[in-house]
Amino acid sequence: AQSVTQLDSHVSVSEGTPVLLRCNYSSSYSPSLFWYVQHPNKGLQLLLKYTSAATLVKGINGFEAEFKKSETSFHLTKPSAHMSDAAEYFCVVSDGFSGGYNKLIFGAGTRLAVHP
Amino acid sequence: EAGVAQSPRYKIIEKRQSVAFWCNPISGHATLYWYQQILGQGPKLLIQFQNNGVVDDSQLPKDRFSAERLKGVDSTLKIQPAKLEDSAVYLCASSLGAGVFTDTQYFGPGTRLTVL
Repeated sequence: AQSVTQLDSHVSVSEGTPVLLRCNYSSSYSPSLFWYVQHPNKGLQLLLKYTSAATLVKGINGFEAEFKKSETSFHLTKPSAHMSDAAEYFCVVSDGFSGGYNKLIFGAGTRLAVHP
Repeated sequence: EAGVAQSPRYKIIEKRQSVAFWCNPISGHATLYWYQQILGQGPKLLIQFQNNGVVDDSQLPKDRFSAERLKGVDSTLKIQPAKLEDSAVYLCASSLGAGVFTDTQYFGPGTRLTVL
């Protein structure tokens, strides 16, 4: 069965410094991997997704993630944090073979705080 | 294009009462999902519809939860009777295709349920 582990429940950075949110996954098949962001009182928004094409995936708002099969990781990075990046981030795996199609398994989330 | 619509945004009820949530997916999206997000956790899939048929309801507590998507468009999720542990945000999502695992899911703003 597939699963996702987000290694940090909270990350705090200063504005203008790099962001690293760590994610490890477990999947029996070649997975699709996603990062979603959730701002307070707003719906989940897709940041980026990996679907077995290029291992370095670029998303919206300057975020990117690298799929590393040997490490079963899909860490999210951004070179320079902005105040508006403060939110909850979810790493998500889908392998399409557990239960119904396109079943997404969410990690527990990482809350990113950005300080001036 | 209009996003996924949900109502109500907030609901407070007493335990053992019933409650219903409504979702209107993005126009043309064949697949609709209901998730439960308990505070401090990632969303968990409750049920997935493809058009008006159920693809996966393995994590739906069927003794108290029910959902329908009669005309393959909008959907309702009902809880009867509610328990304290049902307090959560209920998220609706939709995706364009036949639920293939690379399909992007688009989320609504959610309904925050508080059971007293």
